[in-house]
Amino acid sequence: RKEVEQDPGPFNVPEGATVAFNCTYSNSASQSFFWYRQDCRKEPKLLMSVYSSGNEDGRFTAQLNRASQYISLLIRDSKLSDSATYLCVVNGARGSQGNLIFGKGTKLSVKP
Amino acid sequence: GAGVSQTPSNKVTEKGKYVELRCDPISGHTALYWYRQSLGQGPEFLIYFQGTGAADDSGLPNDRFFAVRPEGSVSTLKIQRTERGDSAVYLCASSLIVSAEQFFGPGTRLTVL
Repeated sequence: RKEVEQDPGPFNVPEGATVAFNCTYSNSASQSFFWYRQDCRKEPKLLMSVYSSGNEDGRFTAQLNRASQYISLLIRDSKLSDSATYLCVVNGARGSQGNLIFGKGTKLSVKP
Repeated sequence: GAGVSQTPSNKVTEKGKYVELRCDPISGHTALYWYRQSLGQGPEFLIYFQGTGAADDSGLPNDRFFAVRPEGSVSTLKIQRTERGDSAVYLCASSLIVSAEQFFGPGTRLTVL
């Protein structure tokens, strides 16, 4: 089983749509969870951290379910500029906080 | 302020050659990380440094790969006897402390012919 699994997509949605991405992770000792965004041929950039209580940043909402080892990202009112690859990320086992494990990414394409 | 910079941006080499990839982290960041990303994949962890020492090198694929950070700032990733399978984008990141947000550089695209 891969350490972080995501549906690669692509997700093709119209502007204004709501889209949800899911991710599962295998290491129950992981302590930190993130969503990164990566534009084509660019470096990854942190979109948001994910907390057990859930967190929201504008149109973006992230949820974490530790029991199911499941992370989600919801994007409301999609914009053309949201088109990118979204990477689900967890940190490595306890004792190696700097070791980030990335999923393959989910590609989102928002169309006019 | 200046972000993470990496040089060269592109490197083409022949199988069997030695290459060095350089990373300049954000000033004041104590932690530095190396990842590599193949086409269609997410970044894959290689090694990270806290200060001058390698805190976790569990991601280095074999002993052809080595990284140093002698003064706790600039880091160099060294690959000996390159193979075609080493072709990838090598990403460097830095963070203020280990648990803080990692900021990535633009990467070095390595092509081994």
